[in-house]
Amino acid sequence: GQNIDQPTEMTATEGAIVQINCTYQTSGFNGLFWYQQHAGEAPTFLSYNVLDGLEEKGRFSSFLSRSKGYSYLLLKELQMKDSASYLCARTDKLIFGTGTRLQVFP
Amino acid sequence: DTAVSQTPKYLVTQMGNDKSIKCEQNLGHDTMYWYKQDSKKFLKIMFSYNNKELIINETVPNRFSPKSPDKAHLNLHINSLELGDSAVYFCASSRGLAGGNTGELFFGEGSRLTVL
Repeated sequence: GQNIDQPTEMTATEGAIVQINCTYQTSGFNGLFWYQQHAGEAPTFLSYNVLDGLEEKGRFSSFLSRSKGYSYLLLKELQMKDSASYLCARTDKLIFGTGTRLQVFP
Repeated sequence: DTAVSQTPKYLVTQMGNDKSIKCEQNLGHDTMYWYKQDSKKFLKIMFSYNNKELIINETVPNRFSPKSPDKAHLNLHINSLELGDSAVYFCASSRGLAGGNTGELFFGEGSRLTVL
């Protein structure tokens, strides 16, 4: 199978750092997307990892370890507008994880 | 200009009816998709077309029939609607094929289908 697992919900405080994990079965894997989805809106692209290591993009970074079947999205200096669902997706069959709903509190 | 546009945005209908959702992309992408997002927010791929050819066909009831008249359009027709079909349906497009150099997926705004 190609199950993708993410925590269902997370909470954090404005200004803090939060790490959202994503694990997947390694068979057939060739890359990972991270998407952000605000309630009632379409998913929007955040990052793409195909090689091991950290990809940094402003306040958001994404990490991949292919041998461990593990990725994380790191959000720094959290803002209220970061409250959303965060979804990881395999690029081999474009299967999405169940998403992690992040709530940022003042 | 909207990159991926879907119509209608909202659709309320009775069980047993047949309905269609249309999708168009103006990004020049070769690949288009339909995803279903249920009440638990799980985003599940249904179909993928590349240059009008069906590439991905997940386990979806045959009441769902995608049609791609050209590579910029991918429509979804649903026959004999059931209560469980209520969901948000997202159209998306990408430059390349899944498994290759896909490029990011661009999503439409979604079409919320409610079956009564």
